[in-house]
Amino acid sequence: DADVTQTPRNRITKTGKRIMLECSQTKGHDRMYWYRQDPGLGLRLIYYSFDVKDINKGEISDGYSVSRQAQAKFSLSLESAIPNQTALYFCATSGLGQGEAFFGQGTRLTVV
Amino acid sequence: GENVEQHPSTLSVQEGDSAVIKCTYSDSASNYFPWYKQELGKRPQLIIDIRSNVGEKKDQRIAVTLNKTAKHFSLHITETQPEDSAVYFCAASIGDSRLTFGEGTQLTVNP
Repeated sequence: DADVTQTPRNRITKTGKRIMLECSQTKGHDRMYWYRQDPGLGLRLIYYSFDVKDINKGEISDGYSVSRQAQAKFSLSLESAIPNQTALYFCATSGLGQGEAFFGQGTRLTVV
Repeated sequence: GENVEQHPSTLSVQEGDSAVIKCTYSDSASNYFPWYKQELGKRPQLIIDIRSNVGEKKDQRIAVTLNKTAKHFSLHITETQPEDSAVYFCAASIGDSRLTFGEGTQLTVNP
């Protein structure tokens, strides 16, 4: 089945380290998103990309960067991780003209 | 930008009762309103959605209503079952642009 795959699924890292979360999809969608989930705060948009040459900041982009390496790949980087970036991160995709977002399995990141 | 507020943050009901979750949005241009269910340890998945050209949509035990004038929409679950226990998120967008999510509602259905 066409899917959205995130790696790693779990990661513990130290404060100040650089870390990359990867997302790949086989749905053929142009649009890809990175969300952060914290208890009581819902899903907040970090960055999004509507095609390979398009990158846009979301509502909480500070401290994060992204790279759209291909239509199917969208990576999220934390240049210098800090403890308040401990959260569950989701990648999602959607198709042009379609509102539904399809989520990956999530990456649980802990910064110590 | 769009702002979506969701209430209540937690909801506990007895099996067989109905559950209602409400959301308000700020941008009158928003015209797509999906609802996602997230079971414990799993990814959010779409359960129902509605577009602004209709006022209500039903799918078996779940329904969504939309009031464009008041800028609010609601999820209704009837005859709740323990497997309905999950976190539910509402969201809003303009067309097929990015979704803005509410804060989520933890629904617990007690047997």
